[in-house]
Amino acid sequence: QQQVKQSPQSLIVQKGGISIINCAYENTAFDYFPWYQQFPGKGPALLIAIRPDVSEKKEGRFTISFNKSAKQFSLHIMDSQPGDSATYFCAAIFSWSGKLIFGQGTTLQVKP
Amino acid sequence: DAGVTQSPTHLIKTRGQQVTLRCSPISGHKSVSWYQQVLGQGPQFIFQYYEKEERGRGNFPDRFSARQFPNYSSELNVNALLLGDSALYLCASSSKVEMGSNQPQHFGDGTRLSIL
Repeated sequence: QQQVKQSPQSLIVQKGGISIINCAYENTAFDYFPWYQQFPGKGPALLIAIRPDVSEKKEGRFTISFNKSAKQFSLHIMDSQPGDSATYFCAAIFSWSGKLIFGQGTTLQVKP
Repeated sequence: DAGVTQSPTHLIKTRGQQVTLRCSPISGHKSVSWYQQVLGQGPQFIFQYYEKEERGRGNFPDRFSARQFPNYSSELNVNALLLGDSALYLCASSSKVEMGSNQPQHFGDGTRLSIL
């Protein structure tokens, strides 16, 4: 019940295209859903996050769409750039616990 | 402002040895969490400390222990190292941990631990 399932495992997109990564969760008690970007040799960096009472959040080229009834959320990267090539993790958390539950990760490659 | 800092960056140990990893949180952050990231997987939660008290523990054996100091820095200790302990150990800090606070966790670049 505490799992977060992420797909696809890997993704190849042409420069300028839209990258879409999907996540699903089981436990409705999760109350915060961040996305992290990780480059090789670095720690995860917070990209954008959303609360379950919001259906969409946009920051620059990054948008989270949240479907509470379906228990799904997704990351959209608009106008994808080669510099976006990295591994992306969705996560969920009970804010009182401080315990992040991560998805399995998606390796994104943006071709020039 | 300095982010989360971890030391050392790399460490090589042999089976059966003990290791101590260190973490300094972002200034003003009172919560520190530790995660283990095996190659090709998402980070797995090990411990969380808030105001120097353990607030959560993940599904790791008792060989793993941690503590948080009065200045909110933290140490992760692993005893009797096994080959399977080879991983990137990540520390994350946040300002507070309470219902509805939605305070994001910010990660350091980790300590790469290799067990021979």
